[in-house]
Amino acid sequence: DAGVIQSPRHEVTEMGQEVTLRCKPISGHDYLFWYRQTMMRGLELLIYFNNNVPIDDSGMPEDRFSAKMPNASFSTLKIQPSEPRDSAVYFCASSAEPQPQHFGDGTRLSIL
Amino acid sequence: GEDVEQSLFLSVREGDSSVINCTYTDSSSTYLYWYKQEPGAGLQLLTYIFSNMDMKQDQRLTVLLNKKDKHLSLRIADTQTGDSAIYFCAERGYQKVTFGTGTKLQVIP
Repeated sequence: DAGVIQSPRHEVTEMGQEVTLRCKPISGHDYLFWYRQTMMRGLELLIYFNNNVPIDDSGMPEDRFSAKMPNASFSTLKIQPSEPRDSAVYFCASSAEPQPQHFGDGTRLSIL
Repeated sequence: GEDVEQSLFLSVREGDSSVINCTYTDSSSTYLYWYKQEPGAGLQLLTYIFSNMDMKQDQRLTVLLNKKDKHLSLRIADTQTGDSAIYFCAERGYQKVTFGTGTKLQVIP
């Protein structure tokens, strides 16, 4: 079975640019999560969706961050404009309750 | 809010047993999980335990749960260099999974 697929795996861009991270959850999973991982703050939940609807976005750091899930097989996390402090590894995970979350391999984002 | 705590670092010799500990605060936890993260990769589910269980064994892995003390442990028998990674404890409460900060396991050959 295909796992959670994230793209790109690595992204390097200059501050001020728009960044779009993509995620394809496991087929049949109705929950999708976006996390950010940094050395300083560890693993942070940014937002999660249930049946394509955002349920809790309290972890989204600023209005510069937005996430969408237009259908059950695709989600995006967008940062506009990007800043150097947004540099982190961003993970997408999906689950079919009450099963555990399955994680993608992450997008390593560097903002110069 | 819910909190999950782990020690940051553990070093063991190859062949010894490793014990990684975790404490949590949510008394309504239903499932507790252990994930492994290798460098450059995502979190991989290792094992999980339902909150009404005390112990679960899966090959070299043993999970112990003390629900009264809200304490979870992961024992890895015969630790190998390939077990070097960061191990995350997580608990599932009401509609939410909370992750710990992760314990970096270093296995010395």
